[in-house]
Amino acid sequence: DIQMTQSPSTLSASVGDRVTITCRASQSISSWLAWYQQKPGKAPNLLIYKASSLESGVPSRFSGSGSGTEFTLTISSLQPDDFATYYCQQYNSSSITFGQGTRLEIK
Amino acid sequence: QVQLVQSGAEVKKPGASVKVSCKASGYTFTNYGINWVRQAPGQGLEWMGWISTYTGNTNYAQKLQGRVTMTTDTSTSTAYMELRRLRSDDTAVYYCARAPYCTGGVCFPSRFDPWGQGTLVTVSS
Repeated sequence: DIQMTQSPSTLSASVGDRVTITCRASQSISSWLAWYQQKPGKAPNLLIYKASSLESGVPSRFSGSGSGTEFTLTISSLQPDDFATYYCQQYNSSSITFGQGTRLEIK
Repeated sequence: QVQLVQSGAEVKKPGASVKVSCKASGYTFTNYGINWVRQAPGQGLEWMGWISTYTGNTNYAQKLQGRVTMTTDTSTSTAYMELRRLRSDDTAVYYCARAPYCTGGVCFPSRFDPWGQGTLVTVSS
């Protein structure tokens, strides 16, 4: 199976900050990577697909980049609603895998 | 609108089985597969497998092989996930999610969207 490693595991930031989360794949996944946001007690919500495509309705402060094995999710200016846990997911292979998650907390 | 609605919470004893349903609406059911993902309390997301709603073919995560069965009922646009020989570490919220897009029996890599609301399965003696 393809392993997905996210960093950092926890990120403390303030409203208005620019933050970046990294996701590395154990082998090339081309651009078949998605990012999800999850809030407590809720299902994950799709933010970015195909590494850099913004899902409809998602604020433009979210952006994704990368290909192959290295990917990033950037939030350009943190808003109070953005404090949540973020997961990357590869869907290149028939066995889907997720990163372990990055918890974004208020500093 | 496109949505997946799951069945309600379950409490089971160790060794029992559970069957969770996921009813789709707002799109052509057989054009997309259904994946199942679970999340233990305070933990990350674990992919369990997926089923082609068009062919019925399945692909299960290796660690669950032999204990999990995914099925569909195309007449009601409903997918099912049954997990047998439950253990305490199967306690989790179970989600269904739509993906991948398939046409003419060929499936294409797809993000998971939408997701069901989740079903809490508690395994306790």
